[in-house]
Amino acid sequence: DAGVIQSPRHEVTEMGQEVTLRCKPISGHDYLFWYRQTMMRGLELLIYFNNNVPIDDSGMPEDRFSAKMPNASFSTLKIQPSEPRDSAVYFCASSGTGSRKLFFGSGTQLSVL
Amino acid sequence: SQQGEEDPQALSIQEGENATMNCSYKTSINNLQWYRQNSGRGLVHLILIRSNEREKHSGRLRVTLDTSKKSSSLLITASRAADTASYFCAFPNAGGTSYGKLTFGQGTILTVHP
Repeated sequence: DAGVIQSPRHEVTEMGQEVTLRCKPISGHDYLFWYRQTMMRGLELLIYFNNNVPIDDSGMPEDRFSAKMPNASFSTLKIQPSEPRDSAVYFCASSGTGSRKLFFGSGTQLSVL
Repeated sequence: SQQGEEDPQALSIQEGENATMNCSYKTSINNLQWYRQNSGRGLVHLILIRSNEREKHSGRLRVTLDTSKKSSSLLITASRAADTASYFCAFPNAGGTSYGKLTFGQGTILTVHP
């Protein structure tokens, strides 16, 4: 299996622009998680899905953030409009029912100028 | 904050030495995990220990869990340069039973010198 695939690996954008991050979970996994990592706040859970349904989005910082999972093999995290404080590494992770182990993608390094 | 606290924040050792990292948490948990993160990469699961286990081994890794003290430790024996990475403990969010909804500690940066 190729593991969790995220794209792009790096994104540089200007403040106010829309940013879309993409994730393909491991086939057969029914949980998908979006985490954000910064030096100041560490790893924070933003939102997670079970069977493509958003279960808990309490970690989403603001209405500027939205996430979707239209099918079992694809999810997006969108920031509109982006701000410099959104600069971070965004990770997608997936997990299968019965396993508490998370499999992480390589992350997207987002820089908002 | 529910975040776990890890110490030390950074650890620098020579190859062959043992490395010990500690994690403390605040709420009751039913399991605790350790992850490794190489620079510029995603986290990789190392080991999971359940609340009814006090110690668990996996290769050169030894994890302990003391639920009375709400703490865990990760020991890497006979360290190698390739062990250089950040190490994170992770545990279920308070009141959370959902798979994978984890709170991560701040991490320990381990540097192993050849």
